[in-house]
Amino acid sequence: EAEVAQSPRYKITEKSQAVAFWCDPISGHATLYWYRQILGQGPELLVQFQDESVVDDSQLPKDRFSAERLKGVDSTLKIQPAELGDSAMYLCASSLAVNRDYGYTFGSGTRLTVV
Amino acid sequence: DQQVKQNSPSLSVQEGRISILNCDYTNSMFDYFLWYKKYPAEGPTFLISISSIKDKNEDGRFTVFLNKSAKHLSLHIVPSQPGDSAVYFCAASANNQGGKLIFGQGTELSVKP
Repeated sequence: EAEVAQSPRYKITEKSQAVAFWCDPISGHATLYWYRQILGQGPELLVQFQDESVVDDSQLPKDRFSAERLKGVDSTLKIQPAELGDSAMYLCASSLAVNRDYGYTFGSGTRLTVV
Repeated sequence: DQQVKQNSPSLSVQEGRISILNCDYTNSMFDYFLWYKKYPAEGPTFLISISSIKDKNEDGRFTVFLNKSAKHLSLHIVPSQPGDSAVYFCAASANNQGGKLIFGQGTELSVKP
């Protein structure tokens, strides 16, 4: 079964350091999403890509977060500098553009702890 | 502004009985609703969905009911099994928002043997 690959699974970083997460969506999925899930809350969209273009980054804290999907396939989410409040699960998801019946397929996520 | 709300953080049910998870929404533009299931240290997995043109969708032990006038949906699991123990997220999307899903806070279901 096709999967969304994410790495690393876990990351511990010190406050003010830079950190990056990688995502490889399911082959053929043009739409890619990065979500952040804080413990006890639901996932919140950070950025949505359609191929290599950003469709929605309205909730992305652009002073410290950046995201790219240069060739329209895999994607990187970066935080610089990391803050204590960034500790969360970062989830990548992908979908076929028009199939709304099945939503997205999520990866296993990256658990970030900022100390 | 919490557009999708799951007001019960947790639910405990006996094995074999029915589990009912509830979800409320405020945005009348939402036209697709989905339920996801999440185990610890894993990403959410899709469970079942419903379009706003329907009021019920069934898939095996899982049934989702939609009450548009009340802006309320519920997920019924019958019979509940210990393996159903997980966090369940309700999510909604609007056709004019590019497929973006808005999630509720989640309800942790515990099914006891």
